[in-house]
Amino acid sequence: GAGVSQTPSNKVTEKGKYVELRCDPISGHTALYWYRQSLGQGPEFLIYFQGTGAADDSGLPNDRFFAVRPEGSVSTLKIQRTERGDSAVYLCASSSDRNTEAFFGQGTRLTVV
Amino acid sequence: EDKVVQSPLSLVVHEGDTVTLNCSYEVTNFRSLLWYKQEKKAPTFLFMLTSSGIEKKSGRLSSILDKKELFSILNITATQTGDSAIYLCASSSGSRLTFGEGTQLTVNP
Repeated sequence: GAGVSQTPSNKVTEKGKYVELRCDPISGHTALYWYRQSLGQGPEFLIYFQGTGAADDSGLPNDRFFAVRPEGSVSTLKIQRTERGDSAVYLCASSSDRNTEAFFGQGTRLTVV
Repeated sequence: EDKVVQSPLSLVVHEGDTVTLNCSYEVTNFRSLLWYKQEKKAPTFLFMLTSSGIEKKSGRLSSILDKKELFSILNITATQTGDSAIYLCASSSGSRLTFGEGTQLTVNP
């Protein structure tokens, strides 16, 4: 595709439920990043993939968060046992390699009620 | 811990004014400094700076990096209402971007 695509654009879920957020990066981009942005803050790093492997997952806040990229393209961010504090905009970005600019998707606004 | 600080946090100007946005950083393994514009959800890429003293320009926007003093500025000349947005500065260590809080710019007609 022409840009980074994220689905869904909005997700409302009940506390304790499981959610999956999808990211389809720019075709050919090997580097993929997930960020989380709370209101009034800059995006906060979660995880970086180079190809299929998570090269840096040090930003994941706890073990309820997990992400995969099985074929080196589409990535899914998975959140178990959601909490109200998980409410935020989840942004995905991709770049052709880790030394070039990253391009962001429109984000998924997650609301946990 | 990597840190990026932007100032001011908010700025209100009139159309036609020139603005300067500031970004300072403390980063291990620094590779580059990036500027993004965020209007709704998606930050859109403006500039990536890797070398000191080389100004990058795109229309009315320009940016420069000082790697000795660890800061960057983003200038916008002849501002328009369409420039109203949050401007994010981020440092790159290769595997991640560390963002500042952003500067909320409002341009009034």
